[in-house]
Amino acid sequence: NAGVTQTPKFQVLKTGQSMTLQCAQDMNHNSMYWYRQDPGMGLRLIYYSASEGTTDKGEVPNGYNVSRLNKREFSLRLESAAPSQTSVYFCASSPDRGPYEQYFGPGTRLTVT
Amino acid sequence: QQQVKQSPQSLIVQKGGISIINCAYENTAFDYFPWYQQFPGKGPALLIAIRPDVSEKKEGRFTISFNKSAKQFSLHIMDSQPGDSATYFCAASSYNQGGKLIFGQGTELSVKP
Repeated sequence: NAGVTQTPKFQVLKTGQSMTLQCAQDMNHNSMYWYRQDPGMGLRLIYYSASEGTTDKGEVPNGYNVSRLNKREFSLRLESAAPSQTSVYFCASSPDRGPYEQYFGPGTRLTVT
Repeated sequence: QQQVKQSPQSLIVQKGGISIINCAYENTAFDYFPWYQQFPGKGPALLIAIRPDVSEKKEGRFTISFNKSAKQFSLHIMDSQPGDSATYFCAASSYNQGGKLIFGQGTELSVKP
């Protein structure tokens, strides 16, 4: 089992460019999450999907969109990248919403110039 | 608004010593309190978690102490080892409020040999 996989591992964008971060899990989990990690800020939830077919905003959704393509895949899109979106992005999954362990992917380091 | 406050931001401990990281929360609806461990270049991984119906949980050298009345919980690492050097995040969630994890800011622990 690969667990949670993310692509790409690194990305450099110019301001205004768009891109999609891909995430897939092979644990048959219902819930999936996108976080961003910034120094001194911890991990902040961008969007989550409690189950296939549903998505909801987290703490910092502005500038992002998501798609729960199927039970395995959850993508994060930046339509018009801004330098403030320079961060490390983590995807995670859990069996269901609530008090369950979240399994994190290896992260995508994004730089917007 | 930071609902979970973590301290200290960084911690240096000698090998064999006790590492203590503290967290305080505001939302009395939180009912699940996990700690995650993150090594450089990796995603966070669940270390240990507690529910508010117990005051302490121990797993090997790692112990969570929970004080419901003070709305505080802490991680104690006994006999700290260089391999424990990592960033530690506390978190909290409420099942009735969607089960989303709210993370603290993180503590960078360095255990010196």
